[in-house]
Amino acid sequence: GAVVSQHPSWVICKSGTSVKIECRSLDFQATTMFWYRQFPKQSLMLMATSNEGSKATYEQGVEKDKFLINHASLTLSTLTVTSAHPEDSSFYICSARNRGDGYTFGSGTRLTVV
Amino acid sequence: AQSVTQLGSHVSVSEGALVLLRCNYSSSVPPYLFWYVQYPNQGLQLLLKYTSAATLVKGINGFEAEFKKSETSFHLTKPSAHMRDAAEYFCAVTPGAAGNKLTFGGGTRVLVKP
Repeated sequence: GAVVSQHPSWVICKSGTSVKIECRSLDFQATTMFWYRQFPKQSLMLMATSNEGSKATYEQGVEKDKFLINHASLTLSTLTVTSAHPEDSSFYICSARNRGDGYTFGSGTRLTVV
Repeated sequence: AQSVTQLGSHVSVSEGALVLLRCNYSSSVPPYLFWYVQYPNQGLQLLLKYTSAATLVKGINGFEAEFKKSETSFHLTKPSAHMRDAAEYFCAVTPGAAGNKLTFGGGTRVLVKP
């Protein structure tokens, strides 16, 4: 149980376009989801906390207009990277609070902006 | 506020040897502590967690960790390394009950030599 599905696994987009990443809790309801960014060979950096039915809480230094987060249902949170640029290329990972282990992570999305 | 320090960004062990990954934390309230493993281009998988019950925690794949409040440590060990243990390991802390945001350490990359 407690599975989180993240799609797509990888995406390549042109500079200036927007990309949407989905994070779904498959067998549990997730009132809270988290979005992380991970640079190569580095740790995870929390970008924002997503709460179902309310605005996301962004960490200091994260541009909320660049990284749009929507958590419209108890099983789905999305991260949209708007007007992507090469410096936005990174590995993005979502996680959801669950009832058992505390947190379940998605498999990550490798974003490459060319 | 909480923080995590993982001593040693890289650890090299021989197959069959002891694996020891060090984690020290700082938390203003009794913490919950986690160890995660990450394989290349994948999300995080929970190895084990401490949530204020038994101080010696056993996890998956033969790993265990001991919570030592006096030393503010939560070191991860495995008696005998396997080739499949080669991965990145992250220690993380959250204040109190799960559901708050996780703070990650910098990660330790484990290399297993045949």
